[in-house]
Amino acid sequence: NAGVMQNPRHLVRRRGQEARLRCSPMKGHSHVYWYRQLPEEGLKFMVYLQKENIIDESGMPKERFSAEFPKEGPSILRIQQVVRGDSAAYFCASSPGTHQGGTIYFGEGSWLTVV
Amino acid sequence: AQSVSQHNHHVILSEAASLELGCNYSYGGTVNLFWYVQYPGQHLQLLLKYFSGDPLVKGIKGFEAEFIKSKFSFNLRKPSVQWSDTAEYFCAVSGNNDMRFGAGTRLTVKP
Repeated sequence: NAGVMQNPRHLVRRRGQEARLRCSPMKGHSHVYWYRQLPEEGLKFMVYLQKENIIDESGMPKERFSAEFPKEGPSILRIQQVVRGDSAAYFCASSPGTHQGGTIYFGEGSWLTVV
Repeated sequence: AQSVSQHNHHVILSEAASLELGCNYSYGGTVNLFWYVQYPGQHLQLLLKYFSGDPLVKGIKGFEAEFIKSKFSFNLRKPSVQWSDTAEYFCAVSGNNDMRFGAGTRLTVKP
């Protein structure tokens, strides 16, 4: 049973370009979370999605960032017109449903560098 | 490659008991260490982190952790747990553009 798969692991973008980060949850998991880790900080929650539905996006920046989790395929975190401050590690986690004390699994992260 | 081991899968304690959750890591270079907590129905929160300096780190809600370099450990402690500490606890290690999480320890505190 494959774990949470994130790709690309490393991504370099120039300022103004778009970045797309993908997350394939564990088999059977229908809930996905995205977190961002800025240098020298801990993880910060961004968004929580269920298939075809955004449950909580209270941690998402108001502009340029969007996320989706379609019925088929991976969850996508999209950053438009990237700026240097977007350089960070982005982690995805998945769970089978509303967590009842655990069963959340993390991917290995995607490192975005904006030059 | 880095790895993180949390040996206790599920810990059950009574209120006021002392807590120690084990975290061991495998990595050859300089590491940053974290403990995160996830309460039922909520998102991950940072409890505490160690980057450098005093190896005894104090976090939120009365938690602390001690970095013992010689043992590659970063155990989480709390002298007296409360029912509200019932949650899942994750240890994480980062370094060199890599970050790994432990499998998590579920803590159940009985009132």
